[in-house]
Amino acid sequence: DAGVIQSPRHEVTEMGQEVTLRCKPISGHNSLFWYRQTMMRGLELLIYFNNNVPIDDSGMPEDRFSAKMPNASFSTLKIQPSEPRDSAVYFCASSRSGGSSYNEQFFGPGTRLTVL
Amino acid sequence: GDSVTQMEGPVTLSEEAFLTINCTYTATGYPSLFWYVQYPGEGLQLLLKATKADDKGSNKGFEATYRKETTSFHLEKGSVQVSDSAVYFCALFVSGSARQLTFGSGTQLTVLP
Repeated sequence: DAGVIQSPRHEVTEMGQEVTLRCKPISGHNSLFWYRQTMMRGLELLIYFNNNVPIDDSGMPEDRFSAKMPNASFSTLKIQPSEPRDSAVYFCASSRSGGSSYNEQFFGPGTRLTVL
Repeated sequence: GDSVTQMEGPVTLSEEAFLTINCTYTATGYPSLFWYVQYPGEGLQLLLKATKADDKGSNKGFEATYRKETTSFHLEKGSVQVSDSAVYFCALFVSGSARQLTFGSGTQLTVLP
């Protein structure tokens, strides 16, 4: 199995530019999570989808951030406009199901974003 | 709300030393507990888990016991190796939690040869 695939692995952009991060979950998984990791704040859950529907987006920092999951095999996290404080590693994770039971989350390798 | 508190790092040990990373939690319900590990340049991966009180999770020589009376889930390994150098995250899950896993802040472990 290919695991969770994220692209790009590294992104360097200038302040004000739009950034789009992409994620392909493991086939058969119906829950998808976007996390952000920084030294200052650690690992933060940004948004969680179940069956392509956003369930909890309370972790999304502000309106500059948006996430979509148009189908079961693809999700995007977009930042527009980007700011230097958005610099972080962004992880996507997927699991078999959400709801009331826990299923192991499998993480992608992450996208390291640097906003200059 | 639910929260996880881990011992602050970084932790630096010599090879074959004994490792303990402390983790305590607060939860509104009856949680399942986990340790995740993040090797350099990679995403997190599940190391071990325990779903009820007094359960012991174990994997790759690491162990952790679910202690309900002390609300703790400390990670231990009897003899660490250089390859264990990573960041370790304690996490909990409460059934019905829309936010799924609650992670601790992570503890950086460096093992020197």
